[in-house]
Amino acid sequence: GEDVEQSLFLSVREGDSSVINCTYTDSSSTYLYWYKQEPGAGLQLLTYIFSNMDMKQDQRLTVLLNKKDKHLSLRIADTQTGDSAIYFCAESSNGTASKLTFGTGTRLQVTL
Amino acid sequence: NAGVTQTPKFRVLKTGQSMTLLCAQDMNHEYMYWYRQDPGMGLRLIHYSVGEGTTAKGEVPDGYNVSRLKKQNFLLGLESAAPSQTSVYFCASCRTGGIYEQYFGPGTRLTVT
Repeated sequence: GEDVEQSLFLSVREGDSSVINCTYTDSSSTYLYWYKQEPGAGLQLLTYIFSNMDMKQDQRLTVLLNKKDKHLSLRIADTQTGDSAIYFCAESSNGTASKLTFGTGTRLQVTL
Repeated sequence: NAGVTQTPKFRVLKTGQSMTLLCAQDMNHEYMYWYRQDPGMGLRLIHYSVGEGTTAKGEVPDGYNVSRLKKQNFLLGLESAAPSQTSVYFCASCRTGGIYEQYFGPGTRLTVT
């Protein structure tokens, strides 16, 4: 079955860049997503990338996709304390965009 | 729009008790999902529905049942709760087509003693 792996924890200083990495297994994924979960809340879509793209930039966020290595990354520029959250990578399962497989989540801690 | 709402927010059950978690969405979405979130394991799909009157098993369906009698509601039932079902449960919904963005409820924290 599909498997999505992430490191569990990342700590960065305010103002630095954060890079959160993810590896996935389903090569037929149409979309790959990054969801953000703030404390005590549900997940919210942060950004996504279509599988035929290498890079997507959206303000402070940059998503890089390496399909050959099945590697996805999320870079947050000028990280702020409000970026402290858990970030989940997700892939569409079995090529079906309606069903997702989520990674374990990376907890981002931003220190002053 | 309220989006996706879940009832209740918290619940404590004794082993063997039953309960139903209610999820409601007001966005006219076709697809609805139930996940559980456990530390270090991310979100795992329990059951999902692609339309009113239909349900399907996800990754971890054992010990749970679901029903989708109305398009806007998706119910998750635990017939005989076990301590292994202690978790945070999230409901989500999404519309057909586009990027299939899933909209999540605020979660239900369930403890089984």
